[in-house]
Amino acid sequence: KQEVTQIPAALSVPEGENLVLNCSFTDSAIYNLQWFRQDPGKGLTSLLLIQSSQREQTSGRLNASLDKSSGRSTLYIAASQPGDSATYLCAVIRSQGAQKLVFGQGTRLTINP
Amino acid sequence: GAGVSQSPSNKVTEKGKDVELRCDPISGHTALYWYRQSLGQGLEFLIYFQGNSAPDKSGLPSDRFSAERTGGSVSTLTIQRTQQEDSAVYLCASSLGGAGGGYTFGSGTRLTVV
Repeated sequence: KQEVTQIPAALSVPEGENLVLNCSFTDSAIYNLQWFRQDPGKGLTSLLLIQSSQREQTSGRLNASLDKSSGRSTLYIAASQPGDSATYLCAVIRSQGAQKLVFGQGTRLTINP
Repeated sequence: GAGVSQSPSNKVTEKGKDVELRCDPISGHTALYWYRQSLGQGLEFLIYFQGNSAPDKSGLPSDRFSAERTGGSVSTLTIQRTQQEDSAVYLCASSLGGAGGGYTFGSGTRLTVV
């Protein structure tokens, strides 16, 4: 059974810092991995999708990497801003069977002005 | 449409009543998913539709939960005889299906059973 773990559960940093959020998964046979953000009381917004053949994806100040062999992904946020405050979720899709997402519990990020 | 649309955005119902939650996926997306997010919990898979294939209902928590997808587009999640533990945010997502598709989520329906 695929399990996804995100560390830390919560993180609070001052504005302007670069930071890294971690995601690990127990079954390396994933098809792809997707990072989402969720604002309080809102749905999920897709940030980055990393296909199984890729090792990283970048969008603006965000960079996500994927190392399937070690079962890890990291989300790097450069020059953090208060607007980055949200819960960040990673989710993996298995290579076979139903393509349902398996989510981690999320990292609640707070950027202090 | 441009995104995944869910309605209602909020629903308060009395214990024992039935509720219907609606999801309108992105046009052309063949795959549709329902997830549940309870307070302080992670996202729990409920059900998955892919084209004309039989749905994957493995995540439905009890027989009070059912879902259908009409014409390969709009989906309705029905909860019968609601209980307080059904209170959660119900999220719908769609994707192109097949290899490598990313997922787009709706804003969710916040269900409160009183």
